[in-house]
Amino acid sequence: GENVEQHPSTLSVQEGDSAVIKCTYSDSASNYFPWYKQELGKRPQLIIDIRSNVGEKKDQRIAVTLNKTAKHFSLHITETQPEDSAVYFCAAVSSGGYNKLIFGAGTRLAVHP
Amino acid sequence: EPEVTQTPSHQVTQMGQEVILRCVPISNHLYFYWYRQILGQKVEFLVSFYNNEISEKSEIFDDQFSVERPDGSNFTLKIRSTKLEDSAMYFCASSRGVNNEQFFGPGTRLTVL
Repeated sequence: GENVEQHPSTLSVQEGDSAVIKCTYSDSASNYFPWYKQELGKRPQLIIDIRSNVGEKKDQRIAVTLNKTAKHFSLHITETQPEDSAVYFCAAVSSGGYNKLIFGAGTRLAVHP
Repeated sequence: EPEVTQTPSHQVTQMGQEVILRCVPISNHLYFYWYRQILGQKVEFLVSFYNNEISEKSEIFDDQFSVERPDGSNFTLKIRSTKLEDSAMYFCASSRGVNNEQFFGPGTRLTVL
């Protein structure tokens, strides 16, 4: 069945360092890959997304890369700040479905001042 | 900026009781979803709804669950006979189209005693 694996489950960095979170998807028909940030007790909020016809996308300190052959995609956060601390979820949407998001298990990122 | 809203924010019920969770999606969106998140776990897809009918549902969405769009603005999730394991945060989401950003509501925390 459809599955998204996400690593690491926790990540601790010093302020100013970079953070990388990696995901692997199983459904080769997946064509849309959003990343959500969830602060404690809050709703998931989209921070960046990428479609399968693009290999990389950047928005200020955040970038996402996609390797369709390997079925990997990654989130890169540069110059991390304490307010980046949250749980980050990757997700995948299959072109054969009706837009359901299959989420990874999440990465708890802690940025220490 | 328009947002998805949900009521109530917290619902406590006895096992076996029926609950209705309510959502108001963003007004020009056409696709509606319910997801759930058991405490400390990932977000799981329950059901998607388009053109006044269910377009896809997960294995979690069994006969105890139903969804309805009773008017032009509300989207509801009904659990007919709640079980202890239904305790979770339930998120409603909506999107303009397929492979568009899904906007999440603030969630309803359901506690089944």
